[in-house]
Amino acid sequence: DAMVIQNPRYQVTQFGKPVTLSCSQTLNHNVMYWYQQKSSQAPKLLFHYYDKDFNNEADTPDNFQSRRPNTSFCFLDIRSPGLGDAAMYLCATSSRTGGPQYFGPGTRLTVL
Amino acid sequence: GIQVEQSPPDLILQEGANSTLRCNFSDSVNNLQWFHQNPWGQLINLFYIPSGTKQNGRLSATTVATERYSLLYISSSQTTDSGVYFCAARGNTGANSKLTFGKGITLSVRP
Repeated sequence: DAMVIQNPRYQVTQFGKPVTLSCSQTLNHNVMYWYQQKSSQAPKLLFHYYDKDFNNEADTPDNFQSRRPNTSFCFLDIRSPGLGDAAMYLCATSSRTGGPQYFGPGTRLTVL
Repeated sequence: GIQVEQSPPDLILQEGANSTLRCNFSDSVNNLQWFHQNPWGQLINLFYIPSGTKQNGRLSATTVATERYSLLYISSSQTTDSGVYFCAARGNTGANSKLTFGKGITLSVRP
């Protein structure tokens, strides 16, 4: 089945230690998104790629970076995680901007 | 950006009851989606419905784009329907052109 896959499902890191979360998709969609969802809140868009074009949200901290080496994979890098970065990170894809978005299972990040 | 408001914030039902969840949005949209967030945190697509009516089993949804609201109907609710339901909308232009989520509706279905 076509799907959006996120690894790992749970990630524990130490304060200030860089961490990378990964997302892959078999849907061959052009657009890939990263969202952050803190406890009891709605998901919040961090950035997205349309093909290789990177689009950062104005309020996304510089601590968060992303890479998309090919159509199938997208990575979220947190350069120096703080306690406030503990959250669920959700990857989503869509075939076009404005089209329906399909979400992966998420990676729950704990910062110690 | 586009504003998305959901109501009620919390809903408690007895198994077998029907319910209506509401989503209001502040501008014209080209994407309106309903999601169910399961206990493990995954957002499950329920409907992509920028306008019109769709049905899938016990669930149906209606979006009246001209009046800027969408409704999600759950009939004959089951305990497995429990969880958080999100509505998300994307406007047509500029600052509205990202998928913006409402705060969610927490549904508890009791046996």
